[in-house]
Amino acid sequence: QSALTQPPSASGSPGQSVTISCTGTSSDVGGYNYVSWYQQHPGKAPKIMIYEVSKRPSGVPDRFSGSKSGNTASLTVSGLQAEDEADYYCSSYAGSNNLEVFGGGTKLTVL
Amino acid sequence: QIALKESGPTLVKPTQTLTLTCTFSGFSLSPSGVGVGWIRQPPGKALEWLALIFWNDDKRYSPSLKSRLTITKDTSKNQVVLTMTNMDPVDTATYYCAHRYDFDYYFDYWGQGTLVTVSS
Repeated sequence: QSALTQPPSASGSPGQSVTISCTGTSSDVGGYNYVSWYQQHPGKAPKIMIYEVSKRPSGVPDRFSGSKSGNTASLTVSGLQAEDEADYYCSSYAGSNNLEVFGGGTKLTVL
Repeated sequence: QIALKESGPTLVKPTQTLTLTCTFSGFSLSPSGVGVGWIRQPPGKALEWLALIFWNDDKRYSPSLKSRLTITKDTSKNQVVLTMTNMDPVDTATYYCAHRYDFDYYFDYWGQGTLVTVSS
């Protein structure tokens, strides 16, 4: 069982927006602004899409955005494109002993 | 540019010790404010954070696996080594190494991963 809870699946049509949630506790998501989101296509390594809740690395489209409220973080993908179909994982800092934890992953389907 | 690559056995027997090597380029683990971590992913399942070593030899481990893991670095060879003892079929997974900066809490560069199967 993963430390952070994500819905197993999400979907949307091209051009639509979809939001994926990531629920933790006050010891991880709620306690720090160090939530990250990774995209993983089949057979590929994860790719960082969002860090520190809402920051985008260079090269990541601004269609991807992140936010957080309490113990729940969210990733929103706007203007869905076929290439966005992938698995998405959240991650959070969880203190100096546990360091970082991942969510169970969400499979995003573009209909 | 930063690149990482994992290497090691593709098949290990139950109870054996797994040794994986991450060979990297484009950065150094000598005083530089960076770290290299290991993450694994069982087939069809989620990512699991395993261990992390920093440039100053500070080491962190997953609490649930701490007793079985050891992470070390060889700065001269640009390598990080992960050992996991007492391997079990449930440890079958793709093992990734990845780069991060000291005060960042995410991995920005990942290796391609290496699939390790545990079976007799």
